[in-house]
Amino acid sequence: EVQLVDSGGGLVNPGGSLRLSCAASGFTFSTSTLNWVRQAPGKGLEWVSSISGSGSDIYYADSVKGRFTISRDNAKNSLFLQMNSLRVEDTAVYYCAREWNDWSVKWLDSWGQGTLVTVSS
Amino acid sequence: DIHMTQSPSSLSASVGDRVIITCRASQSISYYLNWYQQKPGKAPNPLIYGASTLQSGVPSRFRGSGSGTDFTLTISSLQPDDFATYYCQQSFSTLRTFGQGTKVEIK
Repeated sequence: EVQLVDSGGGLVNPGGSLRLSCAASGFTFSTSTLNWVRQAPGKGLEWVSSISGSGSDIYYADSVKGRFTISRDNAKNSLFLQMNSLRVEDTAVYYCAREWNDWSVKWLDSWGQGTLVTVSS
Repeated sequence: DIHMTQSPSSLSASVGDRVIITCRASQSISYYLNWYQQKPGKAPNPLIYGASTLQSGVPSRFRGSGSGTDFTLTISSLQPDDFATYYCQQSFSTLRTFGQGTKVEIK
């Protein structure tokens, strides 16, 4: 069974930093593309970032580019999101999600439970 | 970035009703369109990928269609478990984007 467990959220001051983690199990981690998706309170889903299995292909939403860094440790089946220069508008539940594919079609088939990040003074 | 627009933003319907949600992309995305269902306090669940393929375990009352820029999610006969928020997402671009969501509420 695929399992993704998000952790690392908390309360941080504007301008501060936080590192999120996602522990994975139940699938071949090193060949799977992983994503971070966030959801501000009462708002919709926003794609944040993705990283390929090898870590060679990385993409970011414009809203976080230059401030957030996605990375992974394939030896420990773990995904990370380093968040720097945090803003009030980064307040959200952050989900890690596995991207699965059927030929060229790709979708997010498994999600973590989410971890809440609150940016406030 | 590819912008995704869903309509309506919310709707009220009764059990047994047929519900249609539309999603429009700002440029052609072929059939690289996915649908997710989210209930309050829970992570999203995949419903449909590739515009029309049902995720394993999803009831057949859900149907997806469309290609290019215009897509629809149809629930043929709304059930109590279907009251939730639905999101479309494009996977054509490496910068994935979601629609703003459609909340389906009980009338």
